[in-house]
Amino acid sequence: ELKVEQNPLFLSMQEGKNYTIYCNYSTTSDRLYWYRQDPGKSLESLFVLLSNGAVKQEGRLMASLDTKARLSTLHITAAVHDLSATYFCAVDSYTGNQFYFGTGTSLTVIP
Amino acid sequence: DAGVIQSPRHEVTEMGQEVTLRCKPISGHNSLFWYRQTMMRGLELLIYFNNNVPIDDSGMPEDRFSAKMPNASFSTLKIQPSEPRDSAVYFCASSRVVGEKLFFGSGTQLSVL
Repeated sequence: ELKVEQNPLFLSMQEGKNYTIYCNYSTTSDRLYWYRQDPGKSLESLFVLLSNGAVKQEGRLMASLDTKARLSTLHITAAVHDLSATYFCAVDSYTGNQFYFGTGTSLTVIP
Repeated sequence: DAGVIQSPRHEVTEMGQEVTLRCKPISGHNSLFWYRQTMMRGLELLIYFNNNVPIDDSGMPEDRFSAKMPNASFSTLKIQPSEPRDSAVYFCASSRVVGEKLFFGSGTQLSVL
């Protein structure tokens, strides 16, 4: 079974600061996804990364993918309170349409 | 589009009772997934369907769990009999084709007393 690990699990950061969330996965895959979940809510797609070296940016969030290292990063620039949520990465297994989710990173941005 | 629709939003039942969760995927989406989310285990893939056919049910925890997709616009996840350890949020998600991002429903919060 494909394993997906995120770190850190919990992140508390001040507004205006930068930080990076890491996502490692255990087997070959060229497709990686980032999702956001607000407390008590469903998951919302943020980014889809489909090839080695892919980089996507929206607002203060930027995601990248290194398939050789089996690593994706979600970089937060100049954090604001509205970014407080849990962020999940997910990997599509190479052999089929099976999405495996990471443990999630709970982000709290402190004013 | 209304998105992925799940019902009920909340379900409270007693141990031993049958529970049925329902999902309507986005029209035109060919893949449907059932996930369970708990604090201890995170998001677990239970089963997924492609073109209404179950492709992988290896995530279904026990024989007490069963899922069906009788047509392209409806799926059910049934637990019989239910147990307290089944308490979780159950999400349904769909995607248009293999490899595309998932669209999630609002989830069903299940509490088994």
